[in-house]
Amino acid sequence: GAGVSQSPRYKVAKRGQDVALRCDPISGHVSLFWYQQALGQGPEFLTYFQNEAQLDKSGLPSDRFFAERPEGSVSTLKIQRTQQEDSAVYLCASSTGQGPNNEQFFGPGTRLTVL
Amino acid sequence: AQTVTQSQPEMSVQEAETVTLSCTYDTSESDYYLFWYKQPPSRQMILVIRQEAYKQQNATENRFSVNFQKAAKSFSLKISDSQLGDAAMYFCAYRSWGGSRLTFGEGTQLTVNP
Repeated sequence: GAGVSQSPRYKVAKRGQDVALRCDPISGHVSLFWYQQALGQGPEFLTYFQNEAQLDKSGLPSDRFFAERPEGSVSTLKIQRTQQEDSAVYLCASSTGQGPNNEQFFGPGTRLTVL
Repeated sequence: AQTVTQSQPEMSVQEAETVTLSCTYDTSESDYYLFWYKQPPSRQMILVIRQEAYKQQNATENRFSVNFQKAAKSFSLKISDSQLGDAAMYFCAYRSWGGSRLTFGEGTQLTVNP
């Protein structure tokens, strides 16, 4: 595809349910990022992959959040036992690789609403 | 840790006029990158302009330019000849020289009036 795609675009979950959010980066992009954007706020970093290696997960807010990228391409962000405070837009971004001039290209995001 | 602050939650401009969005940041690093991103209602974050901290010359991209004041840790975005399509949320962001993650400000909602 031409850009970063994310699915689903919208997800409604009942409190306590598990959810899985998918990100398809631009083909050939080595780096992949997840950000969380609460309503009316700027995105906040969650985690970063280089190929299949998760190099930084310091932004994950709790152990209920888990991300993987097993083959170095598609990534899944999983949230277990969702809480109302997890309601946000989850943005995925990819870039050609770590370095000063690598632009991050963003997907359209998944809007998660926890009831 | 680095922080980015945008003190203008909302701004408005008349079509064809010029508007300036403000951004300040805090860092102890000497080398870094600063960015302005545009986020329309579709939520797709789009890079508008980038500035390398080691460059004294202000970056320019067509109607968009920045005023980078390193000592003051200020990074404002000027949009000239504003167009209706410029209406969006604008985010200022910081990235360390050797880092990967972006640190964003709270955003400024720009309205362009016809």
